[in-house]
Amino acid sequence: EVQLVQSGAEVKKPGESLKISCKGSGYRFTNYWIAWVRQMPGKGLEWMGSIYAGDSVTRYSPPFQGQVTISADKSISIVYLQWSSLKASDTAMYYCARCGGDCTGHFDYWGQGTLVTVSS
Amino acid sequence: SYVLTQPPSVSVAPGQTARITCGGNNIGSKSVHWYQKKAGQAPVVVVSDDSDRPSGIPERFSGSNSGNTATLTISRVEVGDEADYYCHVWDSSTDHPPVIFGGGTKLTVL
Repeated sequence: EVQLVQSGAEVKKPGESLKISCKGSGYRFTNYWIAWVRQMPGKGLEWMGSIYAGDSVTRYSPPFQGQVTISADKSISIVYLQWSSLKASDTAMYYCARCGGDCTGHFDYWGQGTLVTVSS
Repeated sequence: SYVLTQPPSVSVAPGQTARITCGGNNIGSKSVHWYQKKAGQAPVVVVSDDSDRPSGIPERFSGSNSGNTATLTISRVEVGDEADYYCHVWDSSTDHPPVIFGGGTKLTVL
């Protein structure tokens, strides 16, 4: 069974760093892309970027380029999303999602989401 | 930039048919995917590549795509279908991110 299991909810202060994770199982991890999708409170879905787990080739959405870093450790089948200095506006639910091929298609499996709250 | 336009809300009575549209310039030339997002849950793909239904998705869910409008149709709507629905396309133009989501449509089952 394909599963994407994300790390737990986080409460942080502005300026702090954070790294959240998404662990894949039940499939060949290195054959797929993993995307990160943000949902701010009361808002829609936004694609942040994607990484190919096999070689860590990464694509970022321009609004998120330089604001976050997406990385992967294929030895343990985990993809990360990290911030070096959080802002209150980073408060959101973050989902990881899998896509196949060249990741121009749909996201077929999603993680359960990680709620990040940034507040002083 | 490429924009996908969805109605903010659609209301339908149980047993009726709900149609949720996703408008975009020449969207008929792209593959459209639809996700169901229930409160407190992760999104689930209900239609991929315009009209394919993933395993486990009821036949009541169907999709079409032509011209400037893609449509998700939910037949014999049930209370459990109440959710936000998002359309999604990949667009390779360079003036915007390639992964585009519509703004979402809240389906209310009266």
